[in-house]
Amino acid sequence: KQEVTQIPAALSVPEGENLVLNCSFTDSAIYNLQWFRQDPGKGLTSLLLIQSSQREQTSGRLNASLDKSSGRSTLYIAASQPGDSATYLCAVLWGYQKVTFGIGTKLQVIP
Amino acid sequence: DAGVTQSPTHLIKTRGQQVTLRCSPKSGHDTVSWYQQALGQGPQFIFQYYEEEERQRGNFPDRFSGHQFPNYSSELNVNALLLGDSALYLCASSLMGASTEAFFGQGTRLTVV
Repeated sequence: KQEVTQIPAALSVPEGENLVLNCSFTDSAIYNLQWFRQDPGKGLTSLLLIQSSQREQTSGRLNASLDKSSGRSTLYIAASQPGDSATYLCAVLWGYQKVTFGIGTKLQVIP
Repeated sequence: DAGVTQSPTHLIKTRGQQVTLRCSPKSGHDTVSWYQQALGQGPQFIFQYYEEEERQRGNFPDRFSGHQFPNYSSELNVNALLLGDSALYLCASSLMGASTEAFFGQGTRLTVV
């Protein structure tokens, strides 16, 4: 069964700290992996998309890496800010256009 | 570019009723997927529409049905609503292809009472 797991479920850090969110998946035959941000009660905002042939993607203070062989991806957030507080979701595309999400990591950045 | 738009934003229905949710994809996109997100959970794939046909389906009963129009917009219909259908319903649009980025709307919050 193709599953996506995110650890930790929740994380609280002081402002300015660098942090890493983890995503693991059970089948390495992925097409791509996408990281999203979700604010409470809102939709999903795409942060980074990593194709299966890529190892990492960067956007501003965010860096996502992909290691297919170990079934892992990490989202690195540098110099965290209170505005980064949200739930971060990892989504894996295996089958054709069928996406499986993790349960998310709820991040709180304390001023 | 308005991005992906969904309507309505909030909806309250009574158990046993039927509901229709609507989605307009991002300009240039031809594929629409629907997801159900229960509180505290990740989104669950319901189905996907491309060229006005259902192409993929998740593990949801036949009470959940959909439609895609020639302009690529889409509807999600749920019949015989149950309390457990209360959730945030998300629409995602993309271009048909194996590795394209998906863009999500803000969702419709459905409450069944």
